Amino acid sequence: QKEVEQNSGPLSVPEGAIASLNCTYSDRGSQSFFWYRQYSGKSPELIMFIYSNGDKEDGRFTAQLNKASQYVSLLIRDSQPSDSATYLCAAQMAGRRALTFGSGTRLQVQP
Amino acid sequence: EAGVAQSPRYKIIEKRQSVAFWCNPISGHATLYWYQQILGQGPKLLIQFQNNGVVDDSQLPKDRFSAERLKGVDSTLKIQPAKLEDSAVYLCASSLVGTGRETQYFGPGTRLLVL
Repeated sequence: QKEVEQNSGPLSVPEGAIASLNCTYSDRGSQSFFWYRQYSGKSPELIMFIYSNGDKEDGRFTAQLNKASQYVSLLIRDSQPSDSATYLCAAQMAGRRALTFGSGTRLQVQP
Repeated sequence: EAGVAQSPRYKIIEKRQSVAFWCNPISGHATLYWYQQILGQGPKLLIQFQNNGVVDDSQLPKDRFSAERLKGVDSTLKIQPAKLEDSAVYLCASSLVGTGRETQYFGPGTRLLVL
């Protein structure tokens, strides 16, 4: 079973700090990677996607991909209480168009 | 632009009953997905349609679940008969083409409780 693994958390950080969320995937042929944010009782919404090794920045968010280590991460700078949510990592695995999601990491930003 | 619409938002049924969910994707989106999200887990793909054809239904429990996409637009997902373990949120999502390198937009979901 090809999987995406995340630490369930909760990850607790103080307001203004950097939150680091990590994800590993088992399928070396995976091509595209996505980070979704899901507030409690709501549906997932896309934050960022990354296809190439290295870093990709968008505002306070930075996605990092290391295909050799099969590792994806999401950094949130200047964390705000409104960032408190579950963050889902998803991968498009080889031979499939749909996404395979991890179980999510719950982030708590303390005011 | 209107988002993905789903109904009903909530449903409570007893085991062995049947239930149906409806989804209307974003206008112009060729690809439609149904996911099942059990509490504490990430969404799991049940079925993916490209226009009105099935692309991936490898994780759909076909003995009890069925889905169709009418004229390449709306879709219904049916469970018959329901089991306790089907209690979950059923999320419908759509994307423009379905290559995988594109945003999937999720609807609000249908929360199903099977008693």
